[in-house]
Amino acid sequence: NAGVMQNPRHLVRRRGQEARLRCSPMKGHSHVYWYRQLPEEGLKFMVYLQKENIIDESGMPKERFSAEFPKEGPSILRIQQVVRGDSAAYFCASSPNPGRTSYEQYFGPGTRLTVT
Amino acid sequence: AQSVTQLGSHVSVSEGALVLLRCNYSSSVPPYLFWYVQYPNQGLQLLLKYTSAATLVKGINGFEAEFKKSETSFHLTKPSAHMSDAAEYFCAVSEGGFGNEKLTFGTGTRLTIIP
Repeated sequence: NAGVMQNPRHLVRRRGQEARLRCSPMKGHSHVYWYRQLPEEGLKFMVYLQKENIIDESGMPKERFSAEFPKEGPSILRIQQVVRGDSAAYFCASSPNPGRTSYEQYFGPGTRLTVT
Repeated sequence: AQSVTQLGSHVSVSEGALVLLRCNYSSSVPPYLFWYVQYPNQGLQLLLKYTSAATLVKGINGFEAEFKKSETSFHLTKPSAHMSDAAEYFCAVSEGGFGNEKLTFGTGTRLTIIP
């Protein structure tokens, strides 16, 4: 059973460009979470999505950041007009239906975004 | 609102010695608690979890943690450290329930093993 997959693993963007980060959850998982890890810090929650729905986006910056989890295909975290402060590791996690789970989340390897 | 405090951003222990990593939490509802380990340039791997069953939880790689409600603590221990345990460890809390599954993480503890 393949784990959570993220691509690219490393992404370099110049200031002002767009960054697209992709996350494919584990097979059978319908819930996706995005977290950001700044250097020397813990992970901070950004957004929680189900297929075609945003459940909780309380951790998303108000501007330039958006996320989607379409009916088909991976979840996408999109950062427009990147700035140096966006440089971080972005982790995706997935979980199965919470109705029959102990709320365990499985993490992908992360995408390390560097803004030059 | 929920929060996690990890005391000690860096902990060093000798190989074979006891490992103790501290975690205190704050939650307005009975919490779900987790310990994750992160190796350099990798994602997070779940070590163990507490979900309101037994208060002493056993995880992978010989780690265990005890949920103490009176102390709002969930400290991670391992009787005998191994060189391969060197990594960063994160404690996390979730309130559970639909829409509340997001994890709130502590700032992490970097564990160094001294040969």
